[in-house]
Amino acid sequence: AQTVTQSQPEMSVQEAETVTLSCTYDTSESDYYLFWYKQPPSRQMILVIRQEAYKQQNATENRFSVNFQKAAKSFSLKISDSQLGDAAMYFCAYRDFGTSGSRLTFGEGTQLTVNP
Amino acid sequence: GAGVSQSPSNKVTEKGKDVELRCDPISGHTALYWYRQSLGQGLEFLIYFQGNSAPDKSGLPSDRFSAERTGGSVSTLTIQRTQQEDSAVYLCASSLRGQTLATNEKLFFGSGTQLSVL
Repeated sequence: AQTVTQSQPEMSVQEAETVTLSCTYDTSESDYYLFWYKQPPSRQMILVIRQEAYKQQNATENRFSVNFQKAAKSFSLKISDSQLGDAAMYFCAYRDFGTSGSRLTFGEGTQLTVNP
Repeated sequence: GAGVSQSPSNKVTEKGKDVELRCDPISGHTALYWYRQSLGQGLEFLIYFQGNSAPDKSGLPSDRFSAERTGGSVSTLTIQRTQQEDSAVYLCASSLRGQTLATNEKLFFGSGTQLSVL
């Protein structure tokens, strides 16, 4: 079974600085998707960025980028120029590339605090 | 609707009572998921509906949990004889087709129901 591990329960960053959130996963599959989701106090999960495992190039979305190391099964999220609105719980998630639906496996989450 | 709607937003119940949680997916979305988020933990998959196919119930923690989806739209998650360990946020999500081969497939989440069992 696939597992996702986030070893940092809490992180903090100064506004305008850069922070990196860590994620490792375990799978025997060669094709899969990886995601970072943001959960603000409203509880609604918001997709931040996604990475297809077959792509060597790291995904980027504006201030958000990932460092995908397939051999090491590592998938970290870098937030540049942090803003107060980035404060939230961040979840790393994995999804098979199979045909059994879009079922996600989530990590335990990292609570990010942004200090003004 | 514009997004995934869940009701109630918060539910407080007594141990042993039954509860029903409702999810209204985005119109036209054929796939619907229920997840449970316990305090300080990540999301745990519960059940998955895809069109008219038999649901994937492999994540349901016990036979006290059940879910149905009527007319391929609204879904209800029922917890019978609630226990204190059932206290959690229950999140619903929907997607257009539910197929992982669709590279643009995206999950849309509701804001969840916070269930507290006293």
